[in-house]
Amino acid sequence: QSALTQPPSASGSPGQSVTISCTGTSSDVGGYNYVSWYRQHPGKAPKLMIYEVSKRPSGVPDRFSGSKSGNTASLTVSGLQAEDEADYYCSSYGGNNNLGVFGGGTKLTVL
Amino acid sequence: QVQLQQWGAGLLKPSETLSLTCAVYGGSLGGYYWNWIRQPPGKGLEWIGEINHSGSTNYNPSLKSRVTMSVDTSKNQISLKLTSVTAADTAVYYCARRVVVAAYGLWGQGTAVTVSS
Repeated sequence: QSALTQPPSASGSPGQSVTISCTGTSSDVGGYNYVSWYRQHPGKAPKLMIYEVSKRPSGVPDRFSGSKSGNTASLTVSGLQAEDEADYYCSSYGGNNNLGVFGGGTKLTVL
Repeated sequence: QVQLQQWGAGLLKPSETLSLTCAVYGGSLGGYYWNWIRQPPGKGLEWIGEINHSGSTNYNPSLKSRVTMSVDTSKNQISLKLTSVTAADTAVYYCARRVVVAAYGLWGQGTAVTVSS
């Protein structure tokens, strides 16, 4: 059982927006601004899409945005494209040098 | 550009020791923490631990008793050893470079490890 809770699935049509949630506790998501999001296509390594709650690495389109409220972080993908169909994982600092508390993943389907 | 290439034994028997190596090409080990993260088949990600170029480590508390990470700066490589493996350790193992706290921006290609008698 993963430490962070994500919905198992989400979907949207091309061009639409979809938001994926990631719920933790005050000991991880709620306690630090160290939430990151990853996109993983089948058989591939994860790719960092968001770090420190809302920052985008170079090369990640601004269609991807992150936010946090209390113990829940969210990833919003706007202007859905076919390539966005993938598994998405959230991660948070867990305190006490526990540097990778992950969610169970959300399968995003582009209809 | 910096790339990570990893390798190691893909099939182990219960109680054996998992051993993986990750080489850094096009860059230096210095200035970063280098991590191991695994993903059981069809499941989510699990952080195993990290090491920097000086050999300073942080391990996942749930795996700490079985994990050892090491660094070879002369070869620009990091290594992972996980002792007393069981079927629960079957997973794809990734090495990754940490960008900031709890964010991993550069990943190896992954190594599939199966534990089976």
